[in-house]
Amino acid sequence: QSVLTQPPSVSGAPGQGVRISCSGSGSNIGNKAVSWYQHLPGKAPKLVIYYDDVLPLGGSGRFSGSKSGTSASLAIGGLQFDDEGLYYCAVWDEFLGAYVFGSGTKVTVL
Amino acid sequence: QVQLQESGPGLVKPPETLSLTCAVSGGSLTSGNNYWNWIRQSPGKGLEWIGYFFSSGTVTVNPSLRGRVLISVDTSKNQLSLRLSSVTAADTALYYCARGRLSGDSFFLDYWGQGTQVTASS
Repeated sequence: QSVLTQPPSVSGAPGQGVRISCSGSGSNIGNKAVSWYQHLPGKAPKLVIYYDDVLPLGGSGRFSGSKSGTSASLAIGGLQFDDEGLYYCAVWDEFLGAYVFGSGTKVTVL
Repeated sequence: QVQLQESGPGLVKPPETLSLTCAVSGGSLTSGNNYWNWIRQSPGKGLEWIGYFFSSGTVTVNPSLRGRVLISVDTSKNQLSLRLSSVTAADTALYYCARGRLSGDSFFLDYWGQGTQVTASS
């Protein structure tokens, strides 16, 4: 059971936007910056957001991140079928002394 | 461009030791303030961070696996290694290596290998 809670699934029609939440605590999200990873079937995970809201070089502008207190969120705009997969938040947890991943959210494009 | 490629035996018999390597190109294991990580994904579960080797030589391991994990590097081959002892079926997973970076208070994994499947079964 992860210390970071994400909804099991979100869905949206092509072209629409979805938002994925990630809830933590003061020892992780409340104190450290959050990253987000996209894990598509059969592929390696890919960094899509780091430092709460920064796009990696070459990253898609359809992804945006935000954080408030002990919660963070990832927004995906202009949904495409290629976006279908799992999305994880992650952050360093000072209490555990470990890098922790969220439980993962499955994105489905209807 | 950093590239990582994991390799390993595929099948390990409990309670033997699992040994994996990660060949790194485009980046140095012992310079550049890089963190070289192992992460795994068990069937039907999410990602689990195993630990990292920092370029200064420091190794940090997930407390949940401490005592069973050894992470090291072979600088002559530019390879990262993972040894996990006393394996059980619960260690069956897809194992990834990844480069980590630290920017302020943001730790993140920016390059990943394709992963190698390990099954722990007698």
